[in-house]
Amino acid sequence: QAGLTQPPSVSKGLRQTATLTCSGNSNNVGNEGAAWLQQHQGHPPKLLFYRSENRPSGVSERFSASRSGNTASLTITGLQPEDEADYYCSAWDSSLSVVLFGGGTKLTVL
Amino acid sequence: EVQLVESGGGLVQPGGSLRLSCAASGFTFSSYHMNWVRQTPGKGLEWVSYISSSSTTIYNADSVRGRFIISRDNARNSLYLEMNSLRAEDTAVYYCVRDKLEVWGQGTLVTVSS
Repeated sequence: QAGLTQPPSVSKGLRQTATLTCSGNSNNVGNEGAAWLQQHQGHPPKLLFYRSENRPSGVSERFSASRSGNTASLTITGLQPEDEADYYCSAWDSSLSVVLFGGGTKLTVL
Repeated sequence: EVQLVESGGGLVQPGGSLRLSCAASGFTFSSYHMNWVRQTPGKGLEWVSYISSSSTTIYNADSVRGRFIISRDNARNSLYLEMNSLRAEDTAVYYCVRDKLEVWGQGTLVTVSS
């Protein structure tokens, strides 16, 4: 099963803004949107957004998410050292009846 | 506190079997759909299986279809993954995950090796 497409790595400076992308098709991201997860080394993933724009309570407002067509985006403003992590997107594929994950983007805060 | 705790991981030979369990607490388990997601050490996430709240709907990834069986016992607040015909490529940390990926356990490591 083909997954969702994410850039392997993104590097930005402290207090800058990073935008991570996740590309799919009309059966997954373009249908119900994407979830975004953050994973620090040695820890399980943490949900940041579900269905592209819904933020669970407790997630910093520096994180925002959006979707345009078949591409979902995660934007992190005012980058902090603790934002350095792996970020994954995920979406339900209604054609394949499977959950897809992207390969993950490693965000480095310089 | 909402919590998921996996158990049952370990070392198993290729072709062997293993049963993972996940104990849920702090929420009404019977109201939520559940998933198993795995992660190969140092690599990305791979969804394995989904089961609806009442067990009426089950989905599996192609990579495990016909070998892994997901099940649940709502009376015991528990989720299970029966893994058969295990292969080296099944080696991973297996996570029990609630519904829309909003709650994750700490994971249990399964190593398939002779």
